[in-house]
Amino acid sequence: QKEVEQNSGPLSVPEGAIASLNCTYSDRVSQSFFWYRQYSGKSPELIMSIYSNGDKEDGRFTAQLNKASQYVSLLIRDSQPSDSATYLCAVPSKLSFGAGTTVTVRA
Amino acid sequence: SQTIHQWPATLVQPVGSPLSLECTVEGTSNPNLYWYRQAAGRGLQLLFYSVGIGQISSEVPQNLSASRPQDRQFILSSKKLLLSDSGFYLCAWSVTASTEAFFGQGTRLTVV
Repeated sequence: QKEVEQNSGPLSVPEGAIASLNCTYSDRVSQSFFWYRQYSGKSPELIMSIYSNGDKEDGRFTAQLNKASQYVSLLIRDSQPSDSATYLCAVPSKLSFGAGTTVTVRA
Repeated sequence: SQTIHQWPATLVQPVGSPLSLECTVEGTSNPNLYWYRQAAGRGLQLLFYSVGIGQISSEVPQNLSASRPQDRQFILSSKKLLLSDSGFYLCAWSVTASTEAFFGQGTRLTVV
């Protein structure tokens, strides 16, 4: 079983809509979770870390963590064309990444 | 502030040639260090990680090796490159094993 599973996408949303990305993980002892954004041809950049159950908001991004369900999600509100990228979730266990979800925001 | 340097940015090497990619971190001590490979259109594959000088864990048996000769230096090597070694190689660092990691700019390697 993979450490991290992501809804594979790709995901296409109109400009201004909400993009919803999901991730499940297998390691019950994981205490922290990370979301990265990767533009084509570039290296991943950290956009959100979440350590506690519940929601964490940062600008247009909201991460949601449910440790009981081993589920973490990322919402992108008011999606912009500049949000078009691949989004990766990760757990600290050997810093394992999901396969990524490619998001395209249509102008 | 902490920075991570990775070079070169691009590299074209013939099959059978050696490889050496270097990564250095500034502004922190005893970081956890990681090497990843990303094939075109694929996810990140962890190759090696290190929690200290001389301490290397290999995740995937392959044609590559890693070394950490200094606290903030991580080197990825190969004695003889294969076509399948082509990809985007990324170095990353984190403060501890449970904190977020930060990536270098990556090296795009093409083996011809």
